Amino acid sequence: NAGVTQTPKFQVLKTGQSMTLQCAQDMNHNSMYWYRQDPGMGLRLIYYSASEGTTDKGEVPNGYNVSRLNKREFSLRLESAAPSQTSVYFCASSEQGASEKLFFGSGTQLSVL
Amino acid sequence: GDSVTQMEGPVTLSEEAFLTINCTYTATGYPSLFWYVQYPGEGLQLLLKATKADDKGSNKGFEATYRKETTSFHLEKGSVQVSDSAVYFCALSDRLRGSYIPTFGRGTSLIVHP
Repeated sequence: NAGVTQTPKFQVLKTGQSMTLQCAQDMNHNSMYWYRQDPGMGLRLIYYSASEGTTDKGEVPNGYNVSRLNKREFSLRLESAAPSQTSVYFCASSEQGASEKLFFGSGTQLSVL
Repeated sequence: GDSVTQMEGPVTLSEEAFLTINCTYTATGYPSLFWYVQYPGEGLQLLLKATKADDKGSNKGFEATYRKETTSFHLEKGSVQVSDSAVYFCALSDRLRGSYIPTFGRGTSLIVHP
């Protein structure tokens, strides 16, 4: 019963390096989301995918790209990492609908030096 | 746009004390409301939810009532335990651009001392 699986759990990058955060869910959910969590800022939506084949920008998309590879997988890419992207990143999934809850992964702690 | 405002923390209580964490929201539509809890080193998990006015969500001794007239969804618990120490997030889900997008508050840290 894996739920939402994120990799890696920890990552340290140098400014300018690139990397991809991976996320997969096994609940057959249509919608997937990427959030970042910063102290005092709560969770801010980076990108979301309401259904397979679609992606849309959230509140803080600059510096990121996403790919909805298939229904299960939704990856987040940092093309040229900056120190301002140091954060904890969470992937989540849900069914579409006002009353549907989110299921979260355990997070990726990213430091950009 | 939609937004959620919750009281700043940390909230520090002694075991068995009464807990209230305030949450108010603004929304263009008629959202569903949620409380999520985050334990150290983990992702968020749903604590309770309410989908229409005057609904009361409850779970593990926590309660919150959807008050449309005051646009509020305050979290309460009658007697907190040390194990309730965590960060609590109020959230809403509203229809934007054809999809339901969850919006979160900034979180309130709760520390319960024995």
